[in-house]
Amino acid sequence: DAGITQSPRHKVTETGTPVTLRCHQTENHRYMYWYRQDPGHGLRLIHYSYGVKDTDKGEVSDGYSVSRSKTEDFLLTLESATSSQTSVYFCAIRRGQMNTEAFFGQGTRLTVV
Amino acid sequence: QQPVQSPQAVILREGEDAVINCSSSKALYSVHWYRQKHGEAPVFLMILLKGGEQKGHEKISASFNEKKQQSSLYLTASQLSYSGTYFCGTSYNFNKFYFGSGTKLNVKP
Repeated sequence: DAGITQSPRHKVTETGTPVTLRCHQTENHRYMYWYRQDPGHGLRLIHYSYGVKDTDKGEVSDGYSVSRSKTEDFLLTLESATSSQTSVYFCAIRRGQMNTEAFFGQGTRLTVV
Repeated sequence: QQPVQSPQAVILREGEDAVINCSSSKALYSVHWYRQKHGEAPVFLMILLKGGEQKGHEKISASFNEKKQQSSLYLTASQLSYSGTYFCGTSYNFNKFYFGSGTKLNVKP
């Protein structure tokens, strides 16, 4: 199994508070991604990273920011959590570009009340 | 930007076949397929490359039509273990990686 862990696995937070989710990998893979999974929408790309300090937006990036100061860590921050950000968040890693598969973390279930 | 999958859900009996489709409005260079069991993370099944090369699963096959910008996943003689949600995934540029909205497959005894 690919070495990728997410923390925390579950979190309940209040509306308006900042929240940071962590994705840690031990594979030295270049690409890291954050997705959110909601019923009927599949996996939607929030942000991704293609190297240390190299990040870019995905399709649902509003209200989220990311940072990658080390190869192994990719942080997702909800600046001011809203109920619409209640979701399951998955981190994924890939070694290369076109022909390499993605490996997923176990997910973080976030509830904003 | 997400690829479009169809159908959204399928119910099968053990031993029956199913086809899941994935289509894109943009050119596809490769297509990935993943399966997610309930409460778990998605797991890689296979990748299809431009030019027809296919890498991955033993019992599940797939096709990739570059011209039509479509891929199909074929599950033959379904087993109970095939139940789950199937996602196709693709890169439209070299860095971003998008998944479809998923197809929920339920195989019953």
